[in-house]
Amino acid sequence: DVKVTQSSRYLVKRTGEKVFLECVQDMDHENMFWYRQDPGLGLRLIYFSYDVKMKEKGDIPEGYSVSREKKERFSLILESASTNQTSMYLCASSPGLAGGPYEQYFGPGTRLTVT
Amino acid sequence: GENVEQHPSTLSVQEGDSAVIKCTYSDSASNYFPWYKQELGKRPQLIIDIRSNVGEKKDQRIAVTLNKTAKHFSLHITETQPEDSAVYFCAASGAAGNKLTFGGGTRVLVKP
Repeated sequence: DVKVTQSSRYLVKRTGEKVFLECVQDMDHENMFWYRQDPGLGLRLIYFSYDVKMKEKGDIPEGYSVSREKKERFSLILESASTNQTSMYLCASSPGLAGGPYEQYFGPGTRLTVT
Repeated sequence: GENVEQHPSTLSVQEGDSAVIKCTYSDSASNYFPWYKQELGKRPQLIIDIRSNVGEKKDQRIAVTLNKTAKHFSLHITETQPEDSAVYFCAASGAAGNKLTFGGGTRVLVKP
């Protein structure tokens, strides 16, 4: 059973703070993704990674960076949090097998509030 | 890049009736179209998916149809039950890689 975990379910930060969101998956998946979810906008891709130390920008990367030092861990970093980054953040992973893409497995989400 | 439009944004049906959600995509190279269900307070979970070499796929009360020419695909839920109440997201794979582009979501309410 695939398990994707995120470091916090709820987080409250102040404007200007540096924020780290951590995601860990236990299925040896090559692909990992960070999304933000806002009402009416669906899930929007921030960054993704196909391999360790590899990252690619998604559709809304501004204000974010990522780090993938180990295969199972993918971190999202808000260098200087702003109120417009208040949102639900979802991490996902999927296998990198040939013939893909394949199902993405999501973590429980982190609801971040920036005040 | 890929763009996915999803309609309607909300859908209210009587228990036992059918529900249909429609999505259109822009990139003709997209080849994978999953549907995710997200119950209140929970993570999205895959309920059904279809690849571009298939026109229709069914799993019990859920079916997905794909029209590659028109670039749209639909989710059909028959004999709806209260536990079908959730937000449903469609997605398309785009031209390359393993990433997905999601639609805006449809909130489905099944009234007993």
